[in-house]
Amino acid sequence: EVQLLESGGGLVQPGGSLRLSCAASGFTFGTYAMSWVRQAPGKGLEWVSVINGGGGNTYGADSVKGRFTISRDNSKNTLYLQMNSLRVEDTATYYCAKSSDPNVNIASGFDYWGQGTPVTVSS
Amino acid sequence: QSALTQPPSASGSPGQSVTISCTGTSSDVGGYNYVSWYQQHPGKAPKLIIYEVTKRPSGVPDRFSGSKSGNTASLTVSGLQAEDEADYYCSSYAGINNLVFGPGTKVTVL
Repeated sequence: EVQLLESGGGLVQPGGSLRLSCAASGFTFGTYAMSWVRQAPGKGLEWVSVINGGGGNTYGADSVKGRFTISRDNSKNTLYLQMNSLRVEDTATYYCAKSSDPNVNIASGFDYWGQGTPVTVSS
Repeated sequence: QSALTQPPSASGSPGQSVTISCTGTSSDVGGYNYVSWYQQHPGKAPKLIIYEVTKRPSGVPDRFSGSKSGNTASLTVSGLQAEDEADYYCSSYAGINNLVFGPGTKVTVL
């Protein structure tokens, strides 16, 4: 059974940093691209960033470029999101999500999602 | 503001059908056959119900179907059931490893 378990969320002041983690199990982790998707309270979904299976290629939404860094440790089956220079508008529940197709990074959608970890940016 | 447009709400009685539209541009929906749909119940993570415009993951009932014409994709839920009441989001590949979502549509089963 595929499981994704996020951790690391919490309350942080504007300008601060947080590192989110996502522990994966139940599939060959290094075969699939992984993404972070966020959802602000009462709002819709926003794709944040993706990393390919090998970890050598990363891409992110314009809203987080230069501030957020996605990475992975395939030996630990774990995905990370380092978030720096956090802004109030980054407040959201952050989900890690598995790409449904091993040959396509994000285009074919996400077939498994974690339960999410909340991040609140406030002074 | 979302890159894709969805109606904020849709409704139908049990057994009826409801169709949700998702309108983009030739740079996303119209340019790729990579439209996905997600169902999200309150307090839960999204669930993939359609990918690559028309494909259903295993375990998703065939009451859910997807289509696309030009820059508009659609999700149809046939034979509405109480458990179909949820928020539905479309997403589309937008090129150069970019993905965009719609704002979501709340489906109410009357």
